[in-house]
Amino acid sequence: AQTVTQSQPEMSVQEAETVTLSCTYDTSESDYYLFWYKQPPSRQMILVIRQEAYKQQNATENRFSVNFQKAAKSFSLKISDSQLGDAAMYFCAYRSPTSGGSNYKLTFGKGTLLTVNP
Amino acid sequence: ETGVTQSPTHLIKTRGQQVTLRCSSQSGHNTVSWYQQALGQGPQFIFQYYREEENGRGNFPPRFSGLQFPNYSSELNVNALELDDSALYLCASSLAAGRNYGYTFGSGTRLTVV
Repeated sequence: AQTVTQSQPEMSVQEAETVTLSCTYDTSESDYYLFWYKQPPSRQMILVIRQEAYKQQNATENRFSVNFQKAAKSFSLKISDSQLGDAAMYFCAYRSPTSGGSNYKLTFGKGTLLTVNP
Repeated sequence: ETGVTQSPTHLIKTRGQQVTLRCSSQSGHNTVSWYQQALGQGPQFIFQYYREEENGRGNFPPRFSGLQFPNYSSELNVNALELDDSALYLCASSLAAGRNYGYTFGSGTRLTVV
């Protein structure tokens, strides 16, 4: 079974600065998807960024980028020019690409609470 | 395009009771998944429904059951509630179309069992 580990329960960053959130995972599969989700106090999970394991290029979405190290099974999220609205719980998640049943499920880490200081 | 709507937003139940949570999927989505998020934890997969049938289940007992309706909305039913069932229950809808589909989450139902 796949596992996802987020070793930083809490992180803080100054507004306009850069912060990196860590995530490692364990899997025996060679192809899979990795995600970063943001959960603000509104509780809704919002997709921040997605990475497909077969793509070597790191995904980027505006101020958000990842450092995907497949061999090390590491998937960190970098937030540049941090804004007050970035404050939230961030979850790293894994999904198998294969079809059928619970292979579609997302396996989440325990999350990192990000505080942005003005 | 409407998102995922869950009801109710909050619920308090007594141990041993039964509860039904509801989820309306995003327009165009045909698959619904349910997750349980205990306080301070990441969401845990309960089960998934596709074309009105359960097609995947996590490590949850049979007292957790569900339904999906022809309009792709879904219900999560929990019987014989236990104190440990207190959690945020999240619904996510998606369009099951091969490798590349995304999930849209609702804002969840906060269930408290006393």
